[in-house]
Parts: sequence; structure tokens; C-alpha cells
Amino acid sequence: AQKITQTQPGMFVQEKEAVTLDCTYDTSDPSYGLFWYKQPSSGEMIFLIYQGSYDQQNATEGRYSLNFQKARKSANLVISASQLGDSAMYFCAMREGRDKIIFGKGTRLHILP
Amino acid sequence: DARVTQTPRHKVTEMGQEVTMRCQPILGHNTVFWYRQTMMQGLELLAYFRNRAPLDDSGMPKDRFSAEMPDATLATLKIQPSEPRDSAVYFCASGSLGTGGSPQHFGDGTRLSIL
Repeated sequence: AQKITQTQPGMFVQEKEAVTLDCTYDTSDPSYGLFWYKQPSSGEMIFLIYQGSYDQQNATEGRYSLNFQKARKSANLVISASQLGDSAMYFCAMREGRDKIIFGKGTRLHILP
Repeated sequence: DARVTQTPRHKVTEMGQEVTMRCQPILGHNTVFWYRQTMMQGLELLAYFRNRAPLDDSGMPKDRFSAEMPDATLATLKIQPSEPRDSAVYFCASGSLGTGGSPQHFGDGTRLSIL
């Protein structure tokens, strides 16, 4: 069974608009972590943001924020004021236990000029 | 900047050949992961190590794949014999145990094509 679900295979968004990328997860472990990575067309994996299961506040990093809704088991990535350079594949990932990290299938984001 | 180094970057070989991919994790990192990325399956976790000990290789086809960490500076992933369905990008990533928010650092990947 999928433990990380990203329901949007692709999205098209106008430049300067905000973007929300969906991620839901499934775990019975009370201690877990959630990550978002960006993979541009060049192929490298770039870490964006992290949220721990016990963190009280939603994580933010510059234009990226993580909308963490624990009861719903969702960890959506919000990108404010999107830019052309945000066009990429975005992966949600979850750390189970001490260090096992698994990934969702990703969402391909296209920013339109 | 410390980086995870993977070699080779590209590999094209014929079906049935042995393939060895290498990874040098970031110095001081004590977890190493191997992932396979394909269009259909996304990023699949093949195996991972903590302090050089294999912890989980349930994502790996055992009959043809093997992963080892002969020392702290080298992790290897071998495929023998290789098959066309093994064509994918293989990523190695390393991280620090006990720092939950510490992200994995990925190498640039090995793009493998089996003809």
C-alpha cells in the first residue's frame, strides 16, 4: 500500500500565483518526519523543507511553507509567488522510524509566463 | 560544499552484463540509501545502511541485485545479470542518524541503460 500519496501528477500555474502541492501519508509510528524535495529537469534532488511530527508550528523556508494537518495526515507544500524557475518535479517524502525515508511518486509543476 | 559522489554518471551496457555503481557518501554521514527512479514507479527505495550495516533491502530484487558498504567511504550497488527493465536512474543519498530533520543529501545519480 502506498504510504505517501501525491494525487496531482501534473499542475500548470500562472507565474506569481501561489501553488499548493498535495501530499498525504500513512504511518502508525508516532514519530515521523516529512520532507519535500525539488527535482529540476537537470535531475538533481534539492531539499526544500522539513516538518517533524511533534513540531507545533508549520515549517517555513523562504517562499516555501508546509501546511501540516496531522489529523488528516496531510503535508501540503505551499509555494508563494511562483517563479519560472519553480518548474520542476516535486517529491514528498516521509521518514519512518529512525531513518528510513520513502518517497511519493511526485508532482510535475509547470509555471506559465 | 560536501557532496555525495556517484560513479559512473552514465552507463550503457548489454543485457546479461554485470553493472557496479559506486557511491561516496558525505564524510560523517552514517546512513546511506540507494534509490531507483523510473517514470512509472517514481523513486523506489532499494536498500539502506546505518553505520555500514544493511538495515532494509526489501525493495531490491534479491536474485540479481546486491548492495554493500565495504567501508565508510564507499557504498556499492551491483546488478548481475542486468536486464533491460533495470534501465533507470540510480541515486545514492546519505544522511546523519539521530537528527530527524536532517535531510538526505543526494548524489547526481547514475543513468543506467541496459540494451
